[in-house]
Amino acid sequence: AQSVTQPDIHITVSEGASLELRCNYSYGATPYLFWYVQSPGQGLQLLLKYFSGDTLVQGIKGFEAEFKRSQSSFNLRKPSVHWSDAAEYFCAVGARNQGGKLIFGQGTELSVKP
Amino acid sequence: DSGVTQTPKHLITATGQRVTLRCSPRSGDLSVYWYQQSLDQGLQFLIQYYNGEERAKGNILERFSAQQFPDLHSELNLSSLELGDSALYFCASSVVLGGPETQYFGPGTRLLVL
Repeated sequence: AQSVTQPDIHITVSEGASLELRCNYSYGATPYLFWYVQSPGQGLQLLLKYFSGDTLVQGIKGFEAEFKRSQSSFNLRKPSVHWSDAAEYFCAVGARNQGGKLIFGQGTELSVKP
Repeated sequence: DSGVTQTPKHLITATGQRVTLRCSPRSGDLSVYWYQQSLDQGLQFLIQYYNGEERAKGNILERFSAQQFPDLHSELNLSSLELGDSALYFCASSVVLGGPETQYFGPGTRLLVL
């Protein structure tokens, strides 16, 4: 069965520091992969996605993620975190043969220290 | 703003009652998805419609049902409500059935069952 694991429930980083949020997936074929961000009381905003091709994808707000097939990972990175990046981040996988439904990880809550 | 609208934004009701949540997809999107976000279960896929037809079902309770109308808006009906149904319900839309397609999420309807 497909699954997505975000090992870190909560991460705190200092403003200006680099960030890496981990995501591991379990799926038998090449999945579609997404990162969404949810600010308090808000909906889900797409940060970036991977469908195929270049394994390093760029997203909005200065985020990037790298698909590593050998490690079944799709980690999200940002070189310098801003206070406004504090939010909850969700990794999701879509199945190529199961319609378009997304399987989400449990989320990682990011706090930013001034 | 994703272009997906959901009404109402908040809903407070009592156990045993029935409510209807409404979703209007982005212009041109034919596929609608419903997700439930709760503290204990996280973000879970409920059901998907494509151009008026049900296409995929996830962990949707029998007390819940949905439909997609000819104008492509969708409604999620929740009946015989229980305390555990309190959650944030998201609607998402995409252009076509299956992938790779990006799902755009609405702001959600927060349901509180007392």
